[in-house]
Amino acid sequence: EAQVTQNPRYLITVTGKKLTVTCSQNMNHEYMSWYRQDPGLGLRQIYYSMNVEVTDKGDVPEGYKVSRKEKRNFPLILESPSPNQTSLYFCASSPPSYEQYFGPGTRLTVT
Amino acid sequence: DQQVKQNSPSLSVQEGRISILNCDYTNSMFDYFLWYKKYPAEGPTFLISISSIKDKNEDGRFTVFLNKSAKHLSLHIVPSQPGDSAVYFCAARTIQGAQKLVFGQGTRLTINP
Repeated sequence: EAQVTQNPRYLITVTGKKLTVTCSQNMNHEYMSWYRQDPGLGLRQIYYSMNVEVTDKGDVPEGYKVSRKEKRNFPLILESPSPNQTSLYFCASSPPSYEQYFGPGTRLTVT
Repeated sequence: DQQVKQNSPSLSVQEGRISILNCDYTNSMFDYFLWYKKYPAEGPTFLISISSIKDKNEDGRFTVFLNKSAKHLSLHIVPSQPGDSAVYFCAARTIQGAQKLVFGQGTRLTINP
């Protein structure tokens, strides 16, 4: 089954404790992205990647890091999480110039 | 600066009637527009899209209209069904930034039996 998977689905952590949210796709897509969804703000792009080792900032990259060492994986790293990063996170993938396929989401709470 | 705006946070429609969801944008460089549908505890799923060279695109019960002069697009669902109850996001992108999708805030559609 073609899909985008994210782990974990739910995470509660404390301020400053480094964490990684994994994202994997099995569709051989070149493009991958990370978004966060917040009430009243919709989805905002954090980072995106056009291929292996090619990444770029989206609209809200502060406090986040990404890497794209393999085509199928695009982990999101929070080196020192803060409460304002409490949000619902979505990973997405797509072929070039096509609509994006989204993962099921990761709900992160930082206390 | 919200480049894509959905000014109605919620909409309630009776089953069988038409649902109309609206979206406005400010960036004249946007050339491709998409609608996504989101159920609780799931990721958004692609619904329908339209290129800026068209003013209408239809797919079954779903039609998207684009008015470039007004920088406005709308999604029509006819007839509305209970399974259409979800949050709908419109999104836009430019040719240069094909993977930089800009989303609206979302509209929660409730279809009442």
